[in-house]
Amino acid sequence: IAGITQAPTSQILAAGRRMTLRCTQDMRHNAMYWYRQDLGLGLRLIHYSNTAGTTGKGEVPDGYSVSRANTDDFPLTLASAVPSQTSVYFCASSDGLAGNTGELFFGEGSRLTVL
Amino acid sequence: GQNIDQPTEMTATEGAIVQINCTYQTSGFNGLFWYQQHAGEAPTFLSYNVLDGLEEKGRFSSFLSRSKGYSYLLLKELQMKDSASYLCAVMDSNYQLIWGAGTKLIIKP
Repeated sequence: IAGITQAPTSQILAAGRRMTLRCTQDMRHNAMYWYRQDLGLGLRLIHYSNTAGTTGKGEVPDGYSVSRANTDDFPLTLASAVPSQTSVYFCASSDGLAGNTGELFFGEGSRLTVL
Repeated sequence: GQNIDQPTEMTATEGAIVQINCTYQTSGFNGLFWYQQHAGEAPTFLSYNVLDGLEEKGRFSSFLSRSKGYSYLLLKELQMKDSASYLCAVMDSNYQLIWGAGTKLIIKP
C-alpha cells in the first residue's frame, strides 16, 4: 500500500522558474492539503481541496496554485519561484467523513531550494 | 489571532517519563491532535482529544482541558526511538488545523 506519494523528493531550482510538486494518494480520501514547513514555525497550510473539482486557499497561498482534477492527484505549482519559497513541502490527505477524527496522512515531503 | 504554544526543546532520559505541554487560543475548538515527526520524515498521527480528560494508548497518553486551553502528551518508559519532534495542532471552528511549531524531544541514554 503506497498511501500518499510526493515527487520530487528534493529539488534545487533558479528563481523565476516554474515548478510543479506532484502528490498522489491511493486511499480514496476526499480531502487533500499542501503544507509548507519552515524551521521554528508550525506547518502552514498553502491550499486545500475538500473533494475533487474544488480547491481553497489556506494561510499562505500567494505564489502557489493547485488543481484537483480527480480524487487521487493534487499537484502544487509555483508559477515563478522566489527564494522565500525555499521550504519543505508536505502533501496530506484525510478521509473527511463526518464522525472521523480528521487524522491527516502525510507524504514524505519535497525539499525545495530556490536560489 | 490564533496561537498554539509548546516548548521548543526538551531533554529526557531513556526509561523515564516526559510531559510535553501545549496551550492554545483558537477561534472555536473541534479537537486537538498530537503528531510525531522524526527528523527528515513526515509527521505521523499519535492522538486525538475532543473531550476533556485523558486518552491512553500504550506508552503514550494525551490529556485535554478545554476550559484551560491546555493539553499535554505524556510519554512513559522512554526509548531512544522516541527522539523526535512532537507537534500539537488544534482544529478551529472552520475545521482548519492550527499547528504549533513543535517540541523537539532529545532522549539521552
